[in-house]
Amino acid sequence: DAKTTQPPSMDCAEGRAANLPCNHSTISGNEYVYWYRQIHSQGPQYIIHGLKNNETNEMASLIITEDRKSSTLILPHATLRDTAVYYCIVRRDGTASKLTFGTGTRLQVTL
Amino acid sequence: GAVVSQHPSWVICKSGTSVKIECRSLDFQATTMFWYRQFPKQSLMLMATSNEGSKATYEQGVEKDKFLINHASLTLSTLTVTSAHPEDSSFYICSARRSDIQSSYNEQFFGPGTRLTVL
Repeated sequence: DAKTTQPPSMDCAEGRAANLPCNHSTISGNEYVYWYRQIHSQGPQYIIHGLKNNETNEMASLIITEDRKSSTLILPHATLRDTAVYYCIVRRDGTASKLTFGTGTRLQVTL
Repeated sequence: GAVVSQHPSWVICKSGTSVKIECRSLDFQATTMFWYRQFPKQSLMLMATSNEGSKATYEQGVEKDKFLINHASLTLSTLTVTSAHPEDSSFYICSARRSDIQSSYNEQFFGPGTRLTVL
């Protein structure tokens, strides 16, 4: 599975949009981009995933560039409860694939 | 939504004892379950993949005789840390991939984790 690169940390003011970037320049055509987050001392929580089209759900939006070499997770109105480590993971579909976590981005939402 | 539980949520044991951690998928069937370990301020590291009714597949560097995994049913996997030592103290997290519905991707849900402290 392709490797991802994320900034180690970011700050965001409460109520503002949080834009978390991820580079995955070696992504293959059959690999999806997944985003998970982990709040302190909890298990990871699925946020969103996509292949090549932009995706939106109740939690966030995922913007994937046309060449698929990078993506951005957008939390439209960040709250203090969004403070967490956010992981961008590239993974093939299929039962044999595994979720491999990198170092992620530690997002700190402040008042 | 799909829920994965772990028991216990935390455990403290003496060095040399064995500890069993349970992972259950509460409202779905999971042919495949995963076990991760996370040390403080580090990312999750995959330890092993278990498939119901067959032997687990361990990642490189993980001792299979020390970390015994059993996946006897579609809703339960157990991780036993045998002869635990202080260096085994960590946050252990399981994950279950649901297999009871057809999906465009293989959803994977995580448990809340078990914090193991070995004295």
